[in-house]
Amino acid sequence: GAGVSQSPRYKVAKRGQDVALRCDPISGHVSLFWYQQALGQGPEFLTYFQNEAQLDKSGLPSDRFFAERPEGSVSTLKIQRTQQEDSAVYLCASSLVGPGGNYGYTFGSGTRLTVV
Amino acid sequence: AQKITQTQPGMFVQEKEAVTLDCTYDTSDPSYGLFWYKQPSSGEMIFLIYQGSYDQQNATEGRYSLNFQKARKSANLVISASQLGDSAMYFCAMREAAGNKLTFGGGTRVLVKP
Repeated sequence: GAGVSQSPRYKVAKRGQDVALRCDPISGHVSLFWYQQALGQGPEFLTYFQNEAQLDKSGLPSDRFFAERPEGSVSTLKIQRTQQEDSAVYLCASSLVGPGGNYGYTFGSGTRLTVV
Repeated sequence: AQKITQTQPGMFVQEKEAVTLDCTYDTSDPSYGLFWYKQPSSGEMIFLIYQGSYDQQNATEGRYSLNFQKARKSANLVISASQLGDSAMYFCAMREAAGNKLTFGGGTRVLVKP
């Protein structure tokens, strides 16, 4: 597609419920990133994929968070047993090439998760 | 320690005037890139401008320019001739050569007054 597509746009989950957030990157983009953005703050890095390989998951806040990109294109961020502090906007970004240089990151519009 | 610091939580600017948004960064990596993004209320992060650590000249993109002062580790964004549509959150971000991820500052909210 023309841009990075994220779904759902909004998600309300009851505390303890599992959720799955989808990111469809720009076709051919090698790198894919997930960020968490709390209200009024800057995005915080969660995890990074190069093709299907998850090269960095240092930002995942707990073992309740899991991300995958099995075929090197679409990615899913799964949060198990959601808690209120998980409420945030989850942003996905993709880029064409690997490390180094001025390569652009294209962000999706995000999924706003509210845990009640 | 914070890697990216944006000290201005919010700013008002008069339409058609210029505004400078401050950004300081901290890294020991000699090779890095600095980015500015705009985030309107719709939530999407829109790329504005990029500056590489080895670039000799300050980056410019239309009404956006980056005042890069390497020794002071600052990368301020200048928006000239502000428009009402410039009202948004603005984020400074850095990518270090050792990694691929962007590290963001806390953002500055800009409100352009008619």
